[in-house]
Amino acid sequence: GQNIDQPTEMTATEGAIVQINCTYQTSGFNGLFWYQQHAGEAPTFLSYNVLDGLEEKGRFSSFLSRSKGYSYLLLKELQMKDSASYLCAVGPDSGAGSYQLTFGKGTKLSVIP
Amino acid sequence: KAGVTQTPRYLIKTRGQQVTLSCSPISGHRSVSWYQQTPGQGLQFLFEYFSETQRNKGNFPGRFSGRQFSNSRSEMNVSTLELGDSALYLCASRRSGGFTDTQYFGPGTRLTVL
Repeated sequence: GQNIDQPTEMTATEGAIVQINCTYQTSGFNGLFWYQQHAGEAPTFLSYNVLDGLEEKGRFSSFLSRSKGYSYLLLKELQMKDSASYLCAVGPDSGAGSYQLTFGKGTKLSVIP
Repeated sequence: KAGVTQTPRYLIKTRGQQVTLSCSPISGHRSVSWYQQTPGQGLQFLFEYFSETQRNKGNFPGRFSGRQFSNSRSEMNVSTLELGDSALYLCASRRSGGFTDTQYFGPGTRLTVL
């Protein structure tokens, strides 16, 4: 089975840096995804890590350690619009190209002035 | 390029009724997945369809079913509705095959069961 843990809520100041952690325990692993979801909207894709290390994409970076079952999402130069829920998701290889993601319950980030 | 669309956006039903939700994937996408999102459980996988075949199914009762048409549009059906079925139902599409294909979500259908 899959088990994913992330903090429920975080608060950070505009212009600062925030790190959102995600730990997972899984019987199979094929990659880790981060999604952003603003209130009342659909989740949107942020990043995908399959190998250990840091992936940087503008103000957002995502890190993965497969041996530790650990990932984090780093947001730099925080803006008010970054206030949203951030969802960590992992997927096993279900074979034949099948695709099943298991999501954490999300971290609600509030950015304050 | 149009995104994933879902209809209806909001729905109110009573216990015991059934409901059908519709999803139109991004043009050219052949895989459609359905998720249920609730405050308590978060996003939970329901099932995935690819080329009109169900490829994978999450841990939900048989009251939840779906299908996919030849044009890749998909529907999901929930029969004998229960109060606990109140949730946001999200549909997501991706092109096909490979695990690294990005999954794009629709805006969801908010179902309220009274």
